[in-house]
Amino acid sequence: QSVLTQPPSVSAAPGQRVTISCSGGTSNIGNTYVSWYQQLPGTAPKLLIYENNKRVSGIPDRFSGSKSGTSATLVITGLQTGDEADYHCETWDTSLNTGVFGGGTKLTVL
Amino acid sequence: EEQLLESGGGLVRPGGSLRLSCAASGFTFRSYAMNWVRQAPGKGLQWISHISSSSTNIYYADSLKGRFTISRDNAKNSLFLEMNSLTDEDTAVYYCAGGYLDVWRGNWYLDIWGRGTLVSVSS
Repeated sequence: QSVLTQPPSVSAAPGQRVTISCSGGTSNIGNTYVSWYQQLPGTAPKLLIYENNKRVSGIPDRFSGSKSGTSATLVITGLQTGDEADYHCETWDTSLNTGVFGGGTKLTVL
Repeated sequence: EEQLLESGGGLVRPGGSLRLSCAASGFTFRSYAMNWVRQAPGKGLQWISHISSSSTNIYYADSLKGRFTISRDNAKNSLFLEMNSLTDEDTAVYYCAGGYLDVWRGNWYLDIWGRGTLVSVSS
């Protein structure tokens, strides 16, 4: 059972927009920064978004992040087949004093 | 190019021990906080441990505290994870990852990842 809750899967057609949610609590998302990672099949995770909404250099602006209260959202617009991957949210839990990940969301581009 | 290369994984019997290593290159390792993260087959990511750049601050996942020990050797650009009393639930790909942690601001992210090393615990 992950501290952060993500939907197991989402899907959308090429060119469409998809949102991936990440829900936590006051000891984590509510008072910390959220990061997002993309994990293509068979590869290591790659940092996409840090500090809630800052894109890593080289990440296209089709990827954006936001946070409100105890939830965070990753939005991907103009979906491409190459975006098919698992997406993970992450933050630091100030009560547990540990890093925490969401369970991951598998994105399928139909 | 920033690189992390894990080694030391393999098949180990339940109750056994294993020491993972991670060799860093292409960046100033001694300035980077480092972490171990694992991923069981078909599962999500699980954070294991964090060590600050000078080894001053170390954190562990509660469920693994006491069995796993993180350490680093900045002179050799290397990170380590000592794992004891292994069970089949420890079977996973283990990633070495470098990044940033500000506990007071709750700001933590990992921007350099290795390819991982597979640890299989089985009799």
